[in-house]
Amino acid sequence: DAKTTQPPSMDCAEGRAANLPCNHSTISGNEYVYWYRQIHSQGPQYIIHGLKNNETNEMASLIITEDRKSSTLILPHATLRDTAVYYCIVSAGGTSYGKLTFGQGTILTVHP
Amino acid sequence: DVKVTQSSRYLVKRTGEKVFLECVQDMDHENMFWYRQDPGLGLRLIYFSYDVKMKEKGDIPEGYSVSREKKERFSLILESASTNQTSMYLCASSSYPGDGNTEAFFGQGTRLTVV
Repeated sequence: DAKTTQPPSMDCAEGRAANLPCNHSTISGNEYVYWYRQIHSQGPQYIIHGLKNNETNEMASLIITEDRKSSTLILPHATLRDTAVYYCIVSAGGTSYGKLTFGQGTILTVHP
Repeated sequence: DVKVTQSSRYLVKRTGEKVFLECVQDMDHENMFWYRQDPGLGLRLIYFSYDVKMKEKGDIPEGYSVSREKKERFSLILESASTNQTSMYLCASSSYPGDGNTEAFFGQGTRLTVV
């Protein structure tokens, strides 16, 4: 699986959009971009995934660049409960049995 | 609500003991995983299974074994617990919906302390 690079930490004001970047310059054509988050003392939680098109769900939006070498997770209106470690992962999905390789992630702190 | 349930939230065992960590999922998922999480090292994959009785080594299988006799249950076994196996252990499961989304559902974790 390709490796990802994320900033170690970011801050965001409550109610503002949080934009979390991720670089995955060695991503292969069959690899998806997944985002998970882990709130303190809980297991990781799936947020969103995409292959090459931008995606949106009730939690977030995922913007993938045309060359697929980087992506941005957008939390449109961050709340205090969004404070967590956010992991960007690239994986071949079903063809790799759904294995996920976690990096260090980005610690997002949402403050009042 | 979908669930991955780990048998214990906290566990304290002695060095040399054989330790069983149990994980059960109620989603009929094919894939199940065991990770450990340590400060500064993140989550690392120990073993995974893509079918009953099938198992594959992850990145750090040494000192561990697994068992999957039923689809819903995946057990992690520490044959002879050591202090360097003190960690948070996380179980996960996923399936193949066909669109690349192998969304993994995680349990709450078992914090194991080996003394």
